[in-house]
Amino acid sequence: QSALTQPASVSGSPGQSITISCTGTSSDVGGYNYVSWYQQHPGKAPKLMIYDVSNRPSGVSNRFSGSKSGNTASLTISGLQAEDEADYYCSSYTSSSTLVFGTGTKVTVL
Amino acid sequence: QVQLVESGGGLVKPGGSLRLSCAASGFTFSDYYMSWIRQAPGKGLEWVSYISSSGSTIYYADSVKGRFTISRDNAKNSLYLQMNSLRAEDTAVYYCARFVAAGVDPWGQGTLVTVSS
Repeated sequence: QSALTQPASVSGSPGQSITISCTGTSSDVGGYNYVSWYQQHPGKAPKLMIYDVSNRPSGVSNRFSGSKSGNTASLTISGLQAEDEADYYCSSYTSSSTLVFGTGTKVTVL
Repeated sequence: QVQLVESGGGLVKPGGSLRLSCAASGFTFSDYYMSWIRQAPGKGLEWVSYISSSGSTIYYADSVKGRFTISRDNAKNSLYLQMNSLRAEDTAVYYCARFVAAGVDPWGQGTLVTVSS
């Protein structure tokens, strides 16, 4: 199972909006509404930010939103803040009943 | 609060074995699927395995199939990962995590496994 494809880095200024893409295939991202997004700060465990494409767990800021079109899912961070600087990973359920993660995106707040 | 604490990591020689444990608290462990996920130093996340709430359904990544075994003891609120025939490329921080819908949350703090001679 190949990793889902994410851009290596995305940057934005405070207050701006940025979008991270996550591209898979019809056997994973495109085939199921089971895409999740995780935030990981250096030296810390990942934290779930979005599940089932667009649902936010309790406690996650509404500045984070998710969507999907075809084989590509997206995470949008609006009103970018300094604390949003981190690595972000997508994941998807697959047709083999396994999970696959994305390659990861480093978000930099300029 | 929900807490997951991994243990059992360490330095092991290539070809060796190691058993990781994950102690769960703050939720009804027997109600949830659980998963192991790893992260090699400076690299991305890699899903390793998951197990259903009863233990009857198990899946593995191709990279560990036949070498790793996931198990759980619901009476002890514990998840395990038996790792055999370890290779240098298995060197990683191993995280235990709970399934919520099709996402995993929360994650433990991780335990480092280093495979080196």
